[in-house]
Amino acid sequence: NAGVTQTPKFRILKIGQSMTLQCTQDMNHNYMYWYRQDPGMGLKLIYYSVGAGITDKGEVPNGYNVSRSTTEDFPLRLELAAPSQTSVYFCASSSSAGDKNIQYFGAGTRLSVL
Amino acid sequence: AQKITQTQPGMFVQEKEAVTLDCTYDTSDPSYGLFWYKQPSSGEMIFLIYQGSYDQQNATEGRYSLNFQKARKSANLVISASQLGDSAMYFCAMRLTGTASKLTFGTGTRLQVTL
Repeated sequence: NAGVTQTPKFRILKIGQSMTLQCTQDMNHNYMYWYRQDPGMGLKLIYYSVGAGITDKGEVPNGYNVSRSTTEDFPLRLELAAPSQTSVYFCASSSSAGDKNIQYFGAGTRLSVL
Repeated sequence: AQKITQTQPGMFVQEKEAVTLDCTYDTSDPSYGLFWYKQPSSGEMIFLIYQGSYDQQNATEGRYSLNFQKARKSANLVISASQLGDSAMYFCAMRLTGTASKLTFGTGTRLQVTL
């Protein structure tokens, strides 16, 4: 039961470096999301996608980019990493069918920018 | 814009006792969903329970129940017969219908279950 898989689990970046956080789901969900969680806070939405080829900004998109070329994959790209991007990043997915549309989360990626 | 408020940063409960975690929400949209997630110290987000705005009865899932008071815009989580494994952060979240199921989260409540 893989569900939502995120890689890597941990990463340390230097200021100005770039990286891609990988996210893949095997539940055939149309909807996918990226959140960040700062210490002691709730999750904030960075980007989301309602299907392959369709992405949109969330609450805190600055400094990030996404793409959705397949239903399964939704990578998050950090360009020119800054200390303010130190956070835990969660990918999630949900079905577009039914009324609950429960979001299922990956295990998270803990990122430090030094 | 929608907002979720969790006013209890931390709560303590003795093992086997019941505990209520508070959540209030603000939206003018008549159609919405309310969720509770658990985040143990290992960090993953675990879905617990869902309540739709048009649901007539309070949701229940095992030892979890949601005390939904629509007029007061509250959606409190009740955990019965607390266990040591219930020690975790608990987040309330809201989704507006027709918004690609995006969630707005509260800041969470840290629950500590003691012997």
